[in-house]
Amino acid sequence: GQNIDQPTEMTATEGAIVQINCTYQTSGFNGLFWYQQHAGEAPTFLSYNVLDGLEEKGRFSSFLSRSKGYSYLLLKELQMKDSASYLCAVRDQGSGNTGKLIFGQGTTLQVKP
Amino acid sequence: NAGVTQTPKFRVLKTGQSMTLLCAQDMNHEYMYWYRQDPGMGLRLIHYSVGEGTTAKGEVPDGYNVSRLKKQNFLLGLESAAPSQTSVYFCASRQGTNTEAFFGQGTRLTVV
Repeated sequence: GQNIDQPTEMTATEGAIVQINCTYQTSGFNGLFWYQQHAGEAPTFLSYNVLDGLEEKGRFSSFLSRSKGYSYLLLKELQMKDSASYLCAVRDQGSGNTGKLIFGQGTTLQVKP
Repeated sequence: NAGVTQTPKFRVLKTGQSMTLLCAQDMNHEYMYWYRQDPGMGLRLIHYSVGEGTTAKGEVPDGYNVSRLKKQNFLLGLESAAPSQTSVYFCASRQGTNTEAFFGQGTRLTVV
């Protein structure tokens, strides 16, 4: 079967660092995406990992370990505007040329002053 | 550049009524998708298209139909709405299978 797990909710303090984990079990693997979604808005793209290792983009970094079926999104120097849901999505082997993504349920991050 | 535009943004339907949600993208993308988002369940794929004139079923296709007569438009139809179809619907498009997907602003549908 296909399964993607993320924590439902997290809370962190402004200025701190937070790590949001994502574990997946899918039929093969063809890439992992992270999206940010503010309440009442559309998801927006944050990062894409297809090879093992860390991808850094400003305050946000994403890590992937294919052998462990594991990824995390690291947010540094948290700001109040980072309060949002963070969605992990996997493109599995079975998606072929369709580009279908399987989404986790999302992690709602609340940043407190 | 408008990106991905969904219409309408809000709608209330009575059980049994029909409606069509329109998704339009101006980025010449090949791939288009319809998702529904419900609390605690994340985004679930309803139907998708890999190019003009093609459609295929996703995870939760029952009760929905789609058409992609023009490359830029992807229509989602509800023939006989049910309360279980109350949800937020998102359309997305992407150029390639390893590229980012761009999402529309969503349609909030309530079926009473």
